[in-house]
Amino acid sequence: DIQMTQSPSSLSTSVGDRVTITCQASQDITNFLNWYQQKPGKAPKLLIYEAVNLETGVPSRFSGSGSGTHFTFTISSLQPEDVATYYCQQNDNIPYTFGQGTKLDIK
Amino acid sequence: QVQLVQSGAEVKKPGASVQISCEASGYTFSNYYIHWLRQAPGQGLEWMGIFNPSGGTTTYSQKFQGRVAMTRGTSTNTVYMEVSGLRSEDTAVYYCARDRLIGDYVLAHWGQGTQVLVSS
Repeated sequence: DIQMTQSPSSLSTSVGDRVTITCQASQDITNFLNWYQQKPGKAPKLLIYEAVNLETGVPSRFSGSGSGTHFTFTISSLQPEDVATYYCQQNDNIPYTFGQGTKLDIK
Repeated sequence: QVQLVQSGAEVKKPGASVQISCEASGYTFSNYYIHWLRQAPGQGLEWMGIFNPSGGTTTYSQKFQGRVAMTRGTSTNTVYMEVSGLRSEDTAVYYCARDRLIGDYVLAHWGQGTQVLVSS
């Protein structure tokens, strides 16, 4: 199985700050990397697909970059409604595996 | 709009089986794969397998092979997942999800989740 290592596991920042989360794959997954947001008690929501593409309706403050084994997720200016847990996921090889998640809080 | 509506919460004893349903609407049901995932309390997301409603074919994570079965309802736009031989570690919220585009394996649409509690 492909291991997805996400960091940090938690993050506490201020409204308006730039937030960066990284995800490292244990092998080359080209651009088959997606990012999801999950709020407590809710299903995950797709934000970024194929490493860099913003899902329809997702605010432009969210972005993704990377390819191969190293990927980055960025929130350019943190908003209060962005408090959530964020997951990366590879869909290159079955089983499709997730990072362990990054819990994002507001200071 | 695309909707996936799952069945309600279940409480099961160890060793029992549970069947969860996922009813799809708002699109051509047979065109899109349905994935099943789960999330144990306070834990991350775990992909369990994928079901092709067109041919009824399945691919399961090796972890669940032999213990999970995904099927389609005969006359409804519903996919079922049965987990057998339940143990306490199977306590989780189970989700179905649909591809964003046909065959792209990007999980763009999700059900609301079904809580399964395994307890004696």
